[in-house]
Amino acid sequence: TQLLEQSPQFLSIQEGENLTVYCNSSSVFSSLQWYRQEPGEGPVLLVTVVTGGEVKKLKRLTFQFGDARKDSSLHITAAQPGDTGLYLCASSASGNTPLVFGKGTRLSVIA
Amino acid sequence: KAGVTQTPRYLIKTRGQQVTLSCSPISGHRSVSWYQQTPGQGLQFLFEYFSETQRNKGNFPGRFSGRQFSNSRSEMNVSTLELGDSALYLCASSLDGAGAWNTQYFGPGTRLTVL
Repeated sequence: TQLLEQSPQFLSIQEGENLTVYCNSSSVFSSLQWYRQEPGEGPVLLVTVVTGGEVKKLKRLTFQFGDARKDSSLHITAAQPGDTGLYLCASSASGNTPLVFGKGTRLSVIA
Repeated sequence: KAGVTQTPRYLIKTRGQQVTLSCSPISGHRSVSWYQQTPGQGLQFLFEYFSETQRNKGNFPGRFSGRQFSNSRSEMNVSTLELGDSALYLCASSLDGAGAWNTQYFGPGTRLTVL
């Protein structure tokens, strides 16, 4: 079973700062997804990356997939309190095998 | 479209009891997956149902079971509850499957507390 390690586990920053969180595996990802989960809600899909070296942008969020497809990062520019939440990465061995999730990075952005 | 709904949102049970949780997927979605989320273990896959058949199963004891109805609604049941079953139980629906090739839409979860 593929294990996903996320770092850091916790992150508390001031509004306006930049941050990067990471997701790593010892195995090659077929594809990788990033989710954000807010308190009292289920995770919401932010992005799916498939190709090694791929970079995707979603407003102030930039997602990178490592060239070897064994790591990924999420960079947030000028963080806002609305970015607060649990950021989860997830992958599956193949298209229809169930998702395996990392334990997440809990981000708190203080106004 | 209405999102994934889960009932009840909160539940308190005592050890030894059993519990049934319900999930209504997005209209047209045939795949329903269940996950257990705890602070220590994170999100762990329980099982997936597709067109009323269990298609995938995670590494949980047989006390955890589920089913899916012809309208794609799903229920999961936990028998002989243990303190360690206290968790947020999340349901996710998708068009075709539980994996990364499909967008999973999660419900808000059912918070189960076992006393």
